[in-house]
Amino acid sequence: EAGVAQSPRYKIIEKRQSVAFWCNPISGHATLYWYQQILGQGPKLLIQFQNNGVVDDSQLPKDRFSAERLKGVDSTLKIQPAKLEDSAVYLCASSRVRRGLDEQFFGPGTRLTVL
Amino acid sequence: SQQGEEDPQALSIQEGENATMNCSYKTSINNLQWYRQNSGRGLVHLILIRSNEREKHSGRLRVTLDTSKKSSSLLITASRAADTASYFCATDAGQGGGADGLTFGKGTHLIIQP
Repeated sequence: EAGVAQSPRYKIIEKRQSVAFWCNPISGHATLYWYQQILGQGPKLLIQFQNNGVVDDSQLPKDRFSAERLKGVDSTLKIQPAKLEDSAVYLCASSRVRRGLDEQFFGPGTRLTVL
Repeated sequence: SQQGEEDPQALSIQEGENATMNCSYKTSINNLQWYRQNSGRGLVHLILIRSNEREKHSGRLRVTLDTSKKSSSLLITASRAADTASYFCATDAGQGGGADGLTFGKGTHLIIQP
């Protein structure tokens, strides 16, 4: 089966600019996650969707980050405006069932550099 | 915040040797998972062990879980150069209110010397 797709793979922007990332999960996977991985650390969950509803966004900096999953398939994560500390790899993952009950499949990530 | 903490932070061994890395966590969990990350294949799930299990095997991997000590270990036997990667433990704390968080540690960077 095809894996989780993400685009773009790399993005360089100036601080205060906006950026958007796209994710297409594995077909049939109801749950979708966005993680932020800062260099040298493990991934940190930003938001979890079950179909097109938000299950957990407690760690999403809502003043600048937003995410949506229209029609319960693809998802976009937006940062507006970006800060230097947002430089990280943004990983999208999907799973068949709710997180914690099944393995997660990760995409290749988008490496964001904020200058 | 990081729930799991892997130990050691870095490990270098000779090809063919066994590699052991440990993970400690703070709160009660539903299950614990191990993931591998390298530049070639990204983040890949290795094994999941539920809170009522004590040991699990998958190929050259052996995972143990001690919920009384809030710790887990990952053993890779007969290591290969391709095992060079960062290894993360991730816990599902199963908190109420729908926030069943999967939280990753900082990882152990494993280097297999040829």
